[in-house]
Amino acid sequence: EDQVTQSPEALRLQEGESSSLNCSYTVSGLRGLFWYRQDPGKGPEFLFTLYSAGEEKEKERLKATLTKKESFLHITAPKPEDSATYLCAANSGGSNYKLTFGKGTLLTVNP
Amino acid sequence: NAGVTQTPKFQVLKTGQSMTLQCAQDMNHNSMYWYRQDPGMGLRLIYYSASEGTTDKGEVPNGYNVSRLNKREFSLRLESAAPSQTSVYFCASDWDGSYEQYFGPGTRLTVT
Repeated sequence: EDQVTQSPEALRLQEGESSSLNCSYTVSGLRGLFWYRQDPGKGPEFLFTLYSAGEEKEKERLKATLTKKESFLHITAPKPEDSATYLCAANSGGSNYKLTFGKGTLLTVNP
Repeated sequence: NAGVTQTPKFQVLKTGQSMTLQCAQDMNHNSMYWYRQDPGMGLRLIYYSASEGTTDKGEVPNGYNVSRLNKREFSLRLESAAPSQTSVYFCASDWDGSYEQYFGPGTRLTVT
């Protein structure tokens, strides 16, 4: 059974304090690893797709990386507007059309 | 482009009542999905439609039915609502199940 585990569950940072969120996955034949941002009361907003180990994607203060067992979302010099829940999801060859989501990391950035 | 739209935004039902949640996308996507999101459980797939005219069960299909009305629209029906169906429901779409999914704003449903 495909599994996606995110850690930590919650992370509180000071503005400018860089850190990383972790997403560990156990899937049969990874077809894609996705990162989403979710603000309270809204739907998940797509951030990145990673397809193979070693791949990196960047967007403003966020950088996503992928290894064979996990993905990291690095946040550099975060601002309060980066506060949100970050979701990781995996699409495996054994479950076409189905994303397995982690439970998310709630990030709070204090000014 | 509106992306993925859902109606209604909020709904309160009594146990045993029925209702249909509506979803539409204007991105010409082939695949559409219904999820529920509960605290501590993450997003769970209820049903999906790989293409117009097809539907399949996801992880938690019991108590729900779906209709892929056309390429744009995918509805979720609760025939006899139960308190356990209190949740936030999200519709999503993508090209063919291999790419990133785009989500709607959600429907917050309370069953009393």
